Amino acid sequence: QSALTQPASVSASPGQSITISCTGTSSDVGGHNYVSWYQQHPGKAPKLMIYEVSNRPSGVSNRFSGSKSGNTASLTISGLQPEDEADYYCNSYTSSNTRVFGGGTRVTVL
Amino acid sequence: QVQVVESGGGVVQPGRSLRLSCAASGFTFRNYGMHWVRQAPGKGLEWVAIIWYDGSNKYYAESVKGRFTISRDNSKNSLFLQMNSLRPEDTAVYYCVRDVANNHFDYWGQGSLVTVSS
Repeated sequence: QSALTQPASVSASPGQSITISCTGTSSDVGGHNYVSWYQQHPGKAPKLMIYEVSNRPSGVSNRFSGSKSGNTASLTISGLQPEDEADYYCNSYTSSNTRVFGGGTRVTVL
Repeated sequence: QVQVVESGGGVVQPGRSLRLSCAASGFTFRNYGMHWVRQAPGKGLEWVAIIWYDGSNKYYAESVKGRFTISRDNSKNSLFLQMNSLRPEDTAVYYCVRDVANNHFDYWGQGSLVTVSS
C-alpha cells in the first residue's frame, strides 16, 4: 500500500486561505468516504481535525473544512492564523481493511 | 477523561524482540478498535496495525506483516504490540490510538520511542 500523495509544503500569510491535497487511488480515497485529517505540532501527538471527508469534531475551528473529488481529498484552512503552523496528514481507509497516511504537508504562516 | 499511555520502548539490537504495551482508561475499552501508528525521527506518520474491539480481526501494514503481532486484553484495558525480528528502519515513536467507527482515530497517546541499533 503506497502512501497517499500530499504536497511537501504550503505557505501563506495570516488571513489567507490554503488548500492541501491528498491523492490516492480507487482502493482508498476514491473508494470510500473515510478520509480524515490530522494536525501535528512539533513534539506533540497528532490531533484529529476532519473525519469522514468533511466532518469536524467538536472543538475544531470552522476555519477547517474538507472535501473530496474522485481520488483526491482536500483540506482547506481559511483565515490562516499563526497557530495553524504545523504538519498536516491525511489518512484513508482502504479496501484491504488497512489504513494509509499521506506523506504530510508542512504549513508555514509567513 | 480518555487516556492511552504507552510503555515498553527502548533500545534493542537488530533481530531482537520488544513488546509495547498501552494502558487505556476513561472509556469502555472493550467497545473500541485500537491501532498502532508509528513515526520515524523527522518523518511522517505510518499506520502499523489495527485490532477490532473484540480481538476477532487484525490487519497489518505490509512493512510489518509476519514480524509484528497486535493483541489486547479487554479484562485489563490493555493493548499490546509484539515486535520480532526488529530492523533499524523500525526505529520510531510508536503511538497507541483509539479507533472510531472503523474509519478514523480520535485519541492518541504521547508515544513510546523504539530505537533499533547495534
